Amino acid sequence: EPEVTQTPSHQVTQMGQEVILRCVPISNHLYFYWYRQILGQKVEFLVSFYNNEISEKSEIFDDQFSVERPDGSNFTLKIRSTKLEDSAMYFCASSESGAWDEQFFGPGTRLTVL
Amino acid sequence: GESVGLHLPTLSVQEGDNSIINCAYSNSASDYFIWYKQESGKGPQFIIDIRSNMDKRQGQRVTVLLNKTVKHLSLQIAATQPGDSAVYFCADRNRGSQGNLIFGKGTKLSVKP
Repeated sequence: EPEVTQTPSHQVTQMGQEVILRCVPISNHLYFYWYRQILGQKVEFLVSFYNNEISEKSEIFDDQFSVERPDGSNFTLKIRSTKLEDSAMYFCASSESGAWDEQFFGPGTRLTVL
Repeated sequence: GESVGLHLPTLSVQEGDNSIINCAYSNSASDYFIWYKQESGKGPQFIIDIRSNMDKRQGQRVTVLLNKTVKHLSLQIAATQPGDSAVYFCADRNRGSQGNLIFGKGTKLSVKP
């Protein structure tokens, strides 16, 4: 069964450093998403991406965040200058045709900012 | 979902019993609702969805009920099994959104053998 994959599974970084979290969505999917989950809290939407541009973003997704689809398979989330409060699980998701479709989530990347 | 915190509501059931997990949503403009299951160390896994023009939908061993009048959603799991132990989240989506899901706080289901 096709699945969303994410790398790395765990990323440790120093405050102020840049990190790039990588995702490979399911191959025929067209809509891509990033969510985050701070330990013990609910999953929060960050951004959605379709047709090589951002469709929607939340208040969390400020200028420190950016997303990119650098090739036909990868979808990345970059945090330019990490803060302690960026420590969380980051989940990538994809769906075949957007709004009414099931979103398939990856296993997540645990980001720890020291 | 509403407030968040470090302590999840918990539900403990005996194996074989039925489970009912409840969720309240606040957005009247929500038109699509989904239940996700999250096992420890994994991403959310889709269970079942329902559109706002329905009030009930059934899947394999699961049923979702939607009461728009009181903005309430429930997930019923029949004959609960140990493998059902997980955190369950409801999520909803704004009408017109491209898929921005708003997740609730989550309920931790524990199944006793």
